[in-house]
Amino acid sequence: GESVGLHLPTLSVQEGDNSIINCAYSNSASDYFIWYKQESGKGPQFIIDIRSNMDKRQGQRVTVLLNKTVKHLSLQIAATQPGDSAVYFCAENIIQGAQKLVFGQGTRLTINP
Amino acid sequence: ETGVTQSPTHLIKTRGQQVTLRCSSQSGHNTVSWYQQALGQGPQFIFQYYREEENGRGNFPPRFSGLQFPNYSSELNVNALELDDSALYLCASSFGQSNEKLFFGSGTQLSVL
Repeated sequence: GESVGLHLPTLSVQEGDNSIINCAYSNSASDYFIWYKQESGKGPQFIIDIRSNMDKRQGQRVTVLLNKTVKHLSLQIAATQPGDSAVYFCAENIIQGAQKLVFGQGTRLTINP
Repeated sequence: ETGVTQSPTHLIKTRGQQVTLRCSSQSGHNTVSWYQQALGQGPQFIFQYYREEENGRGNFPPRFSGLQFPNYSSELNVNALELDDSALYLCASSFGQSNEKLFFGSGTQLSVL
């Protein structure tokens, strides 16, 4: 079946270090991918997206890398800050009639002072 | 803030009851998608509404139904509530059936006792 999984359910990093969150996806036909950040009690917040015809995209302090050969997605956060503590989800866009996002279980990122 | 608003924020129901959740889409968006997020899991696609019609559905039973109104706001109805329906219900809006930069509301936390 379709699934988007994450290699690590939790990740702890020191404040100021770079964080890398990984994600494996299963549908080679997925055309679009999004990273979301979810804080406690809130809905998922859009961070950055990437189309399947790209392999890298940069935002403010964040970079998404896409490796279609191995169906792998990663989110890099530079100079991690306490406010980055949250659960991070990757999602792939699957077109089966309608378009739907398939989410992974998420990675909890904890920032140590 | 995404401009997607949901009500109520929290709701407690008993098994067998019916519930209606509401969502107002972001200005300019004509597509609404609903997701269910169980505790510790990623969101799962319930269905999408476009131009007042259901445009795609995930693996949810018929007791999950919805509506979209001419102003593009939407309702999610769940009949014969079960304990496993306890979850965070998320609404997201977009333009033209696309999930590009899909923005979520803060969700309705439903507890079924």
